[in-house]
Amino acid sequence: NAGVMQNPRHLVRRRGQEARLRCSPMKGHSHVYWYRQLPEEGLKFMVYLQKENIIDESGMPKERFSAEFPKEGPSILRIQQVVRGDSAAYFCASSLNSPNTEAFFGQGTRLTVV
Amino acid sequence: AQSVAQPEDQVNVAEGNPLTVKCTYSVSGNPYLFWYVQYPNRGLQFLLKYITGDNLVKGSYGFEAEFNKSQTSFHLKKPSALVSDSALYFCAVRALGTNAGKSTFGDGTTLTVKP
Repeated sequence: NAGVMQNPRHLVRRRGQEARLRCSPMKGHSHVYWYRQLPEEGLKFMVYLQKENIIDESGMPKERFSAEFPKEGPSILRIQQVVRGDSAAYFCASSLNSPNTEAFFGQGTRLTVV
Repeated sequence: AQSVAQPEDQVNVAEGNPLTVKCTYSVSGNPYLFWYVQYPNRGLQFLLKYITGDNLVKGSYGFEAEFNKSQTSFHLKKPSALVSDSALYFCAVRALGTNAGKSTFGDGTTLTVKP
């Protein structure tokens, strides 16, 4: 039973390029969450999605960042026109469609903007 | 608004000694509390959770946590630390009955266990 799968594990982008981060939730999980971890900091919530719906994007920067979780395929976190400050570890988590369950995390994508 | 405080950025203990990593929280309603561990360049691994019931919760790798409602604390403990326990530990909280996306994480505590 595969866990939450994220790819790529490491991503290097030049300033101004686009970064696309992928997350496949655990089997049977219909809720996906994205978090960002800046160097020497904790996890900050970005967005919560269900299939084809954004439930809560209160943690997403207003510009350049977007997320989707299509009916088929993985969830995608897209960062357009990346800047050095976007360099961070981005973690995806998934959970079942019920309260009082814990989220399971992927191993993260480490984005480096050069 | 809910919040989590991990007052210590770093905790250092000698191998074989007991360890405590502190966490206090604030949430509306009954809390649902978690501890996660993060090893270098890895994702978060679930350690244990508290929903209701016994205030002492046992989890993975010999860790346990004590829920104290009056002090709004959920400290992580282990009777005898191992060098391999060295990692970054996160406490998280959300209101009971809410979805996992509503969890708030602390800023983390780096535990270093020295031989």
